[in-house]
Amino acid sequence: NAGVTQTPKFQVLKTGQSMTLQCAQDMNHEYMSWYRQDPGMGLRLIHYSVGAGITDQGEVPNGYNVSRSTTEDFPLRLLSAAPSQTSVYFCASSRVRTAGGETQYFGPGTRLLVL
Amino acid sequence: DQQVKQNSPSLSVQEGRISILNCDYTNSMFDYFLWYKKYPAEGPTFLISISSIKDKNEDGRFTVFLNKSAKHLSLHIVPSQPGDSAVYFCAASLRGGATNKLIFGTGTLLAVQP
Repeated sequence: NAGVTQTPKFQVLKTGQSMTLQCAQDMNHEYMSWYRQDPGMGLRLIHYSVGAGITDQGEVPNGYNVSRSTTEDFPLRLLSAAPSQTSVYFCASSRVRTAGGETQYFGPGTRLLVL
Repeated sequence: DQQVKQNSPSLSVQEGRISILNCDYTNSMFDYFLWYKKYPAEGPTFLISISSIKDKNEDGRFTVFLNKSAKHLSLHIVPSQPGDSAVYFCAASLRGGATNKLIFGTGTLLAVQP
């Protein structure tokens, strides 16, 4: 049981380049999400999904696309990278909340530098 | 507008003493509060949570207290150990629906000195 995995661990991009951050989980969780962590800002929600085929925007969605074709995978796409997207990106998964307060399990993060 | 605030960016405590990490929130619709711990180069890991209908939850060395009238919660670690040195994030979830959107504070770096 690997939990939540993310690739790559580190990436350098030039402004305008595109890339996809990969996220996979093997816990059969319905809910998956992407956060970015910036100094002094905590973790901010980018996009989330409550199941295959269903996605929605979080707090800071601009510049990012997502899709959810399977329960296991939730890739995050940067269509045209900008220096403001330099950050550490975390993917998380959990069961869909029933009684409330479901724990989210986080991946190890992808550190992205946009020059 | 920061709905979840951790006003202390860092805290230093001696081993064996109590660590108290604080968190304030503004939205009375939050139904659960959670604490996550994060080591460098790793993802956050869940530590402890509390429902908005409770005022205390305890798990071993960790206790979370919730004061709804003051919109304040705190995490107590007793006794503190060097392995507790990490960044601690307070998070809150919104009531209603089937989503698990969490709103995080900015984190507090705890350093436990041997």
